[in-house]
Amino acid sequence: RKEVEQDPGPFNVPEGATVAFNCTYSNSASQSFFWYRQDCRKEPKLLMSVYSSGNEDGRFTAQLNRASQYISLLIRDSKLSDSATYLCAVNGGGGYQKVTFGTGTKLQVIP
Amino acid sequence: NAGVTQTPKFQVLKTGQSMTLQCAQDMNHNSMYWYRQDPGMGLRLIYYSASEGTTDKGEVPNGYNVSRLNKREFSLRLESAAPSQTSVYFCASSQQGGGQETQYFGPGTRLLVL
Repeated sequence: RKEVEQDPGPFNVPEGATVAFNCTYSNSASQSFFWYRQDCRKEPKLLMSVYSSGNEDGRFTAQLNRASQYISLLIRDSKLSDSATYLCAVNGGGGYQKVTFGTGTKLQVIP
Repeated sequence: NAGVTQTPKFQVLKTGQSMTLQCAQDMNHNSMYWYRQDPGMGLRLIYYSASEGTTDKGEVPNGYNVSRLNKREFSLRLESAAPSQTSVYFCASSQQGGGQETQYFGPGTRLLVL
C-alpha cells in the first residue's frame, strides 16, 4: 500500500457545485496533514493545514478521520479559478518526520 | 522578499553531462528540500537538509549529490545525467524540519536529458 493515496481524477464539476476529495494514508503515527494546490506548470502552494477537529477557510473545509486514516477537502460553490491539482501531504511517524505527498487530484471547474 | 528562488528555469542536457541546480531562500528557514515531480509519481524527495551543515538522503537519492552551502542556499548536482533524470525539480524550505510545518516551494527547474 502506498504511504499516501489520492484519486487522480479528473473531477469535472460545473461552477457552483460542491466537490470533495479524499486522501488516505498508511502510517497511523502521522501527525501533520496538509492540502496543497498546484496550478499547471507551477509550484505547489499551501492551501490549508488539516487540524484534528477539522477546519474551514472560506469555501474550503478540511477534515481528518484518524480511525479510517484519511483526510478530506471539501470545496463549496466551485469557481473556475479553483481548477488545479490538489495534493495532500502527510508526515511520517518516528525519527525525522519527512512529508510524503500524494500524486494529486485534478479538478476542472466547467462554466 | 522573493521566497524560494531556483536557477535555471529550463535546461537541456546530453546523457553524461553534469550540472548543478541552484536554490536559495530568503525566509531564514532552517530546513531545505529537493524534490522531483514526474507524471503519475507525485513529488518524491531526493535529499533534504534539516539544518545548516547537515544533509540526508530522501526517497530517490541515486545519481544526485547536494550541498548546503549556507543557511540560504541548497544546491543539487547531477554528476552524469541520464534520461531517467528528465523531470521537474522543485526546491522547498520550511522553518523547521520534522514535517510539521508548511513547505514553501520554488518555481521549479524543468530538465530534459537527451
